[in-house]
Amino acid sequence: EVQLVQSGGGLAQPGGSLRLSCVGSGFTFISYGMNWVRQAPGEGLEWISYISGDSDTIFYADSVKGRFTISRDNAKNSLSLQMNRLRDDDTAVYYCARRVFGFNYYFDSWGQGTLVAVSS
Amino acid sequence: DIQLTQSPSSLSASVGDTVTISCQASQDINNYLNWYQQKPGKAPKVLIYDASNVETGVPSRFSGSGSGTDFTLTISGLQPEDFATYYCQQYESPLLTFGPGTKVDVK
Repeated sequence: EVQLVQSGGGLAQPGGSLRLSCVGSGFTFISYGMNWVRQAPGEGLEWISYISGDSDTIFYADSVKGRFTISRDNAKNSLSLQMNRLRDDDTAVYYCARRVFGFNYYFDSWGQGTLVAVSS
Repeated sequence: DIQLTQSPSSLSASVGDTVTISCQASQDINNYLNWYQQKPGKAPKVLIYDASNVETGVPSRFSGSGSGTDFTLTISGLQPEDFATYYCQQYESPLLTFGPGTKVDVK
């Protein structure tokens, strides 16, 4: 069974930092591109970052570019999101999501979500 | 960035109804359009990929159509478990975007 288990998150002050993690199991982790998607309270979904299986290709949404860093450790089946210079509007539930294998680009498996709250 | 708009933003329907949700892209995205369902407190679930392909395990009452800039998700014979919020998502650009969502609730 494919599983993505998230950890990290919590409360941070504006300007502070947090790190999110996501561990995959039940599949060949290196074969899949991975993403982070967030959802502010009561709002819609926002894709924020993608990393290819070999880490060669990385994309960020403009809203987090220069502040957030996506990375992965395939030896540990682990995906991370380092979030720096946090702002109030970064408050959201953050999901890791697996890109389906192949040319198509949709999210076929999701983590359980973790809440990041940015407040002074 | 490619912008997606959805209409309506919300709708009320009854079990058995046929529901249609529209998604419009700000530029031609070919058929690089997916649809998700999300229930409160849960992660989204893909329903339709590449505009019209039903994901494995998704009931056949869900269907998708469209290409270019205009797309439609149809639920034929709404079931109690279908009351949820629906999002479209494009991948013509590597900077992925979602539509704002359409909430389907009970009439």
